[in-house]
Amino acid sequence: DAGVTQSPTHLIKTRGQQVTLRCSPISGHKSVSWYQQVLGQGPQFIFQYYEKEERGRGNFPDRFSARQFPNYSSELNVNALLLGDSALYLCASSLGPESYGYTFGSGTRLTVV
Amino acid sequence: AQSVTQLDSQVPVFEEAPVELRCNYSSSVSVYLFWYVQYPNQGLQLLLKYLSGSTLVKGINGFEAEFNKSQTSFHLRKPSVHISDTAEYFCAVSDLSPGNQFYFGTGTSLTVIP
Repeated sequence: DAGVTQSPTHLIKTRGQQVTLRCSPISGHKSVSWYQQVLGQGPQFIFQYYEKEERGRGNFPDRFSARQFPNYSSELNVNALLLGDSALYLCASSLGPESYGYTFGSGTRLTVV
Repeated sequence: AQSVTQLDSQVPVFEEAPVELRCNYSSSVSVYLFWYVQYPNQGLQLLLKYLSGSTLVKGINGFEAEFNKSQTSFHLRKPSVHISDTAEYFCAVSDLSPGNQFYFGTGTSLTVIP
């Protein structure tokens, strides 16, 4: 079975631009979470979606938004990019909203210049 | 809210020697505890988790961890490390609240020396 897949793997954006990151969960998984990992730090929680509804939101500005589609895939959008948004963005999926069953993808490396 | 402290940012150890990576957490409620490993340019791979029951948890690749509620610790151990264990290790805690999230530590970089 395919694991959690994220696209693109790498991308470079300019300050002020907008970016969309995509995540396909493991087949049968209905919950998706997003994390931001800045270089040298641990991942920080951004969002959790379950059955297409937002179940949790971390301490991130409104420039960050996400959604989950009927096929349970998800997109993370970041507007008005700042240099500080440069990070590895990780997606994780689970059968349900419980945190003990999450599998992480390999991430999208975003560089803002 | 919860928090996780990994006191050792870097741990060098010789091949075939034992290793312990320390993790302490802070929480006012019951939590789940996890250890993840991250190899360069990759995502997070679950090593082991504590949900309930026995305080000694065994994971993949010969790793184990012990939950100590009184000391709020969840240290990771391996009796004999290999070169392939060189990676970044993250301890994480999660509570049982809706939309429950992981709170990660800052990571410990384990370097196995031949």
